[in-house]
Amino acid sequence: DSGVTQTPKHLITATGQRVTLRCSPRSGDLSVYWYQQSLDQGLQFLIQYYNGEERAKGNILERFSAQQFPDLHSELNLSSLELGDSALYFCASSVAGDGGGELFFGEGSRLTVL
Amino acid sequence: QKEVEQDPGPLSVPEGAIVSLNCTYSNSAFQYFMWYRQYSRKGPELLMYTYSSGNKEDGRFTAQVDKSSKYISLFIRDSQPSDSATYLCAMSASGGSYIPTFGRGTSLIVHP
Repeated sequence: DSGVTQTPKHLITATGQRVTLRCSPRSGDLSVYWYQQSLDQGLQFLIQYYNGEERAKGNILERFSAQQFPDLHSELNLSSLELGDSALYFCASSVAGDGGGELFFGEGSRLTVL
Repeated sequence: QKEVEQDPGPLSVPEGAIVSLNCTYSNSAFQYFMWYRQYSRKGPELLMYTYSSGNKEDGRFTAQVDKSSKYISLFIRDSQPSDSATYLCAMSASGGSYIPTFGRGTSLIVHP
């Protein structure tokens, strides 16, 4: 158990809908990262937050947004969903904000868009 | 060309074999090199973490980095069926964004 909690574990929805994925980092970790994992693209970095502030942005679509709250949990919002958004979405956390060091991953949220 | 290339496999070996997993990369700024293991339906977990070139050993696992060739390897000795998983290499640069860039992962199957 990595200590990172993600909900929901599975989500099935329709095209055009909006969903919210939630992540609670390990106790004491200030940094949260969101990754998307698909069969053809592998693990793709989306966005990082550190202590409530956006720290780095990767290949995140404009339809997606995220935030980190004062209690350090984070939410990833996916809107106007398309079939191609079906993937595993992982949250990871770390103590440091610079991305160096170990990332601890949650078990992921599997999103299926029909 | 992707920044990090990794053969997806699958790689199937008999129990007890020595396994070699590899990644190549194109970004010469990468200084930190990692190997993660991911079991089916689980999140990746860190196996090995090395800085710059050289070797690092931890039990049955040895990580090697050859920066001149932009090539990293993970060796697993005396492989066990419990080693069956997907192994992802990851690397990050220093002096700027440290966000790890991952390879696509190699699926390893160790059969009894």
